[in-house]
Amino acid sequence: AQTVTQSQPEMSVQEAETVTLSCTYDTSESDYYLFWYKQPPSRQMILVIRQEAYKQQNATENRFSVNFQKAAKSFSLKISDSQLGDAAMYFCAYRSARGGGADGLTFGKGTHLIIQP
Amino acid sequence: EPEVTQTPSHQVTQMGQEVILRCVPISNHLYFYWYRQILGQKVEFLVSFYNNEISEKSEIFDDQFSVERPDGSNFTLKIRSTKLEDSAMYFCASTKIGPRGADTQYFGPGTRLTVL
Repeated sequence: AQTVTQSQPEMSVQEAETVTLSCTYDTSESDYYLFWYKQPPSRQMILVIRQEAYKQQNATENRFSVNFQKAAKSFSLKISDSQLGDAAMYFCAYRSARGGGADGLTFGKGTHLIIQP
Repeated sequence: EPEVTQTPSHQVTQMGQEVILRCVPISNHLYFYWYRQILGQKVEFLVSFYNNEISEKSEIFDDQFSVERPDGSNFTLKIRSTKLEDSAMYFCASTKIGPRGADTQYFGPGTRLTVL
């Protein structure tokens, strides 16, 4: 079974600074997807960014980018120019590409991101 | 932009009662999912549903749980006899089929279930 580990329960960053959230995963598969979801206090799960394992290029969405290291099974999220609205729980998630869509996401335990004004 | 919707936002029930949580997936999506998140813990997969049948289910999804697509728009999760430990946030998600199979899962706002 796949596992996802987020080793930082909490991170704090000054507004406008850059922060990196860590995620590692364990799998024996070669084709899969990785995601970062944001969960603000409302508890809604919001997709931040996704990465397909067969793509070598790191995904980028505006201020959010990832560092995907397939051999190391590492998938970190970098948030540039942090804003107060970025404060939330951030969950890393894995999904196998094998099942065609049947497989659910496997989530990490989350990192609570605090933005200091 | 289309969204997954869920009702109710908060459900309070007595232990042993049946509850039905409702979801309306995004209209052109074909895979549907239920997840739960016990307060302070990670999100856990319960079940996936495609073409009117269960595709995968986790060990959490025991005989107390069932899912149904009663019409062309709704997707429901039923808990037959609720237990205290069923208290959690329940998320519905859906995804369309892309060129490489199922695409990104989009989540609804969740239903907070409180079992007393």
